[in-house]
Amino acid sequence: AQSVTQLGSHVSVSEGALVLLRCNYSSSVPPYLFWYVQYPNQGLQLLLKYTSAATLVKGINGFEAEFKKSETSFHLTKPSAHMSDAAEYFCAVSGWNAGNMLTFGGGTRLMVKP
Amino acid sequence: DSGVTQTPKHLITATGQRVTLRCSPRSGDLSVYWYQQSLDQGLQFLIQYYNGEERAKGNILERFSAQQFPDLHSELNLSSLELGDSALYFCATSRGAIGTDTQYFGPGTRLTVL
Repeated sequence: AQSVTQLGSHVSVSEGALVLLRCNYSSSVPPYLFWYVQYPNQGLQLLLKYTSAATLVKGINGFEAEFKKSETSFHLTKPSAHMSDAAEYFCAVSGWNAGNMLTFGGGTRLMVKP
Repeated sequence: DSGVTQTPKHLITATGQRVTLRCSPRSGDLSVYWYQQSLDQGLQFLIQYYNGEERAKGNILERFSAQQFPDLHSELNLSSLELGDSALYFCATSRGAIGTDTQYFGPGTRLTVL
């Protein structure tokens, strides 16, 4: 079975500050990990994914995430927040199970203060 | 725009009724997934089809069913609707059915059961 925990349902940062959104996973098989962003009244958009190549993954809009097997973590970071980054962020895991459905964390709402 | 289309965008209906949600995949995508997003349950996988065949089932109620047609579009049928079925229903599609495949999400159908 796979599961994802996102610490902090709400995170608030100032514009220009570091963004850090936390994600820990549990998986009995080597995981594939994803970060998606959801803007209000829209579907989910892929930010980045880890598929067992490089452990530091760069995504769109300046985001990156590092896979740390020893910590079972896949935290999302961005050096400098923009107002346009305000959205809900979801970490998800898939694996070698039959079907490759995504198991999502509870989501983290990022608020950016001017 | 992910290239995945979902209709209708909004659906308001009464308890006990039946509705059909439709999803058209990106060109070339063979897998279709259905997810439900609600405030209390978060994002949950319902069911996956790959090239017309059911591939995996998640937390899908017996009152719900889906199918994928020869042209690869998919429909999710929800019957005997209850208030608790009110949610955002997303369709996602991918090229194949392995864990590394990126799933592209449609804009969702917001279902309100009164």
